[in-house]
Amino acid sequence: EPEVTQTPSHQVTQMGQEVILRCVPISNHLYFYWYRQILGQKVEFLVSFYNNEISEKSEIFDDQFSVERPDGSNFTLKIRSTKLEDSAMYFCASSSPWPPDTQYFGPGTRLTVL
Amino acid sequence: TQLLEQSPQFLSIQEGENLTVYCNSSSVFSSLQWYRQEPGEGPVLLVTVVTGGEVKKLKRLTFQFGDARKDSSLHITAAQPGDTGLYLCAGHTRGSTLGRLYFGRGTQLTVWP
Repeated sequence: EPEVTQTPSHQVTQMGQEVILRCVPISNHLYFYWYRQILGQKVEFLVSFYNNEISEKSEIFDDQFSVERPDGSNFTLKIRSTKLEDSAMYFCASSSPWPPDTQYFGPGTRLTVL
Repeated sequence: TQLLEQSPQFLSIQEGENLTVYCNSSSVFSSLQWYRQEPGEGPVLLVTVVTGGEVKKLKRLTFQFGDARKDSSLHITAAQPGDTGLYLCAGHTRGSTLGRLYFGRGTQLTVWP
């Protein structure tokens, strides 16, 4: 069964460093998302992406964050200058053209900022 | 404020018991999804409900979407230790079936053998 994959599974970085989290969505999906989950808290929406542009972003997704679909398969989240509070699990999700309601999640990348 | 309230937050039961967990909101949702999440892993989709009053069954799991599309429930019959996990509801608010999913905090279910 097709699934969303994410790399790396764990990323440890120093505060102020740039990180890029990578995702390969399900192949025929057209809508892509990033969410994060701080330890012990609920899953929070960051950004949605469709037709090579951001369609919606949350208040969390500030200028330090950017997303890109550099080729036909990868979808990336970049954090330019990481802060301690960026430590969280980051989940990529994708949904099909129809019905678009259902989002399928990847296994996540655990980001630890020291 | 929580857009989606899940209750109970924790539930600990014996194998073979039945249980119901709830997902409530004051807002109308165009669709609701139930996920199950294991520690350190991503949410795994169980079901999507779209129509008010809809009931969906997945083996021993029964999902219901409220008539007004503001609430949902998950009922598990004859729970097994393999049902242990964090059950999350998430939804799209009215007028949108794309984009942001709002998540509840989840119900942590533990089923003892």
